[in-house]
Amino acid sequence: AQRVTQPEKLLSVFKGAPVELKCNYSYSGSPELFWYVQYSRQRLQLLLRHISRESIKGFTADLNKGETSFHLKKPFAQEEDSAMYYCALRGRGSTLGRLYFGRGTQLTVWP
Amino acid sequence: DADVTQTPRNRITKTGKRIMLECSQTKGHDRMYWYRQDPGLGLRLIYYSFDVKDINKGEISDGYSVSRQAQAKFSLSLESAIPNQTALYFCATSDPVGTANYGYTFGSGTRLTVV
Repeated sequence: AQRVTQPEKLLSVFKGAPVELKCNYSYSGSPELFWYVQYSRQRLQLLLRHISRESIKGFTADLNKGETSFHLKKPFAQEEDSAMYYCALRGRGSTLGRLYFGRGTQLTVWP
Repeated sequence: DADVTQTPRNRITKTGKRIMLECSQTKGHDRMYWYRQDPGLGLRLIYYSFDVKDINKGEISDGYSVSRQAQAKFSLSLESAIPNQTALYFCATSDPVGTANYGYTFGSGTRLTVV
């Protein structure tokens, strides 16, 4: 069964510090992983997807199949990065296309 | 204009009342979803629909029903609202599986309070 685990409900860092939001997944096949972000009082929006190997707003995430992880990283956090972050998984080869979300990590970046 | 529009944005209702949350989209997507968001529990899938004639239950469908009136409209109903249905509800749409830029587009959410 698919499962996404975000072990940290809350994460606080100071501006300019590196930040890493953890995401682990459970899936028997080859997954597609995503990170979504929700800024205060706004809708969720896609931050990045592993298949694109892109960097958005300075964030990167590498899929580590050995550790079944997809951690989100940024070398220098900014105050505007404060938000709720959700890791999500979609099973490849599935016709369903559903995304399974973790419980989210609330990131606070202090000035 | 937003791609995915939810109405109402906020609603307070009494226990036992029937309430409908509406979602409409201009993305032209066949796939639509209803999630609820609760602090500490993340996003949980209530119902999803892959086209007008295809509706499926998610993980927490009890106490809810849906209607897919058209490709662009997907409504969520609480037949008899109860306080533990107080939550933030999100509608989402997605491209077909296999699309290069696959992902969800979310609405702004409906904050529902059942008293």
